[in-house]
Amino acid sequence: QVQLVQSGTEVKKPGASVKVSCKASGYTFTSYNIHWVRQAPGQRLDWMGWINAGNGNTKYSQKFQGRVTITRDTSARTTYMELSGLTSEDTAIYYCVKERPWFDSWGQGTLVTVSS
Amino acid sequence: DIVMTQSPDSLAVSLGERVTINCKSSQSVLYSSNNLNYLSWYQQKPGQPPKLLIYWASTRESGVPDRFSGSGSGTDFTLTISSLQAEDVAVYFCHQYYDSYTFGQGTKLEMK
Repeated sequence: QVQLVQSGTEVKKPGASVKVSCKASGYTFTSYNIHWVRQAPGQRLDWMGWINAGNGNTKYSQKFQGRVTITRDTSARTTYMELSGLTSEDTAIYYCVKERPWFDSWGQGTLVTVSS
Repeated sequence: DIVMTQSPDSLAVSLGERVTINCKSSQSVLYSSNNLNYLSWYQQKPGQPPKLLIYWASTRESGVPDRFSGSGSGTDFTLTISSLQAEDVAVYFCHQYYDSYTFGQGTKLEMK
């Protein structure tokens, strides 16, 4: 079955960067886009961007443009999301999601806490 | 961006009763060339990631109980649970994938 397994909890200081990984299994990795979505406390889900796991093309939300970078390693079947210039408002659970084109499989989530 | 607005924000329903959750999009998510509504519904329980219930507005995902159904077209959509079970207590939200990707604010469903 499809599984997306994300890296563990991160605690960062304001101004730092964070890189979260998402390892896929159970399907042909290069055939589907992987998206990143975050859920801040009390906020609705917020789409950040996607990567075409086959050719590496990316598209980012304007809200995060310039601060987010999504990459992938096809040999490792892993996608990465790096967010820079962290502030307390970036404290959230970050999810990787497989597209179908709806979001059919979600990672377990990675909590990123930004605190001085 | 397409804004998704759900109603109500929360509701409490008795076991076995019918549940209706509404979702309205600020513009149509119906793609005329294939007559498909680019809308899905998810269930999220505390401490868990969202779980897909419905896509194309009315197609139930494999393994989802048939008490869950979706309806609507264009800008107005509904998720219905025909007979509430204890395990259905969760937050439900809609999602459009017609133009970029946006989500409703969520509807919290509790047991009365």
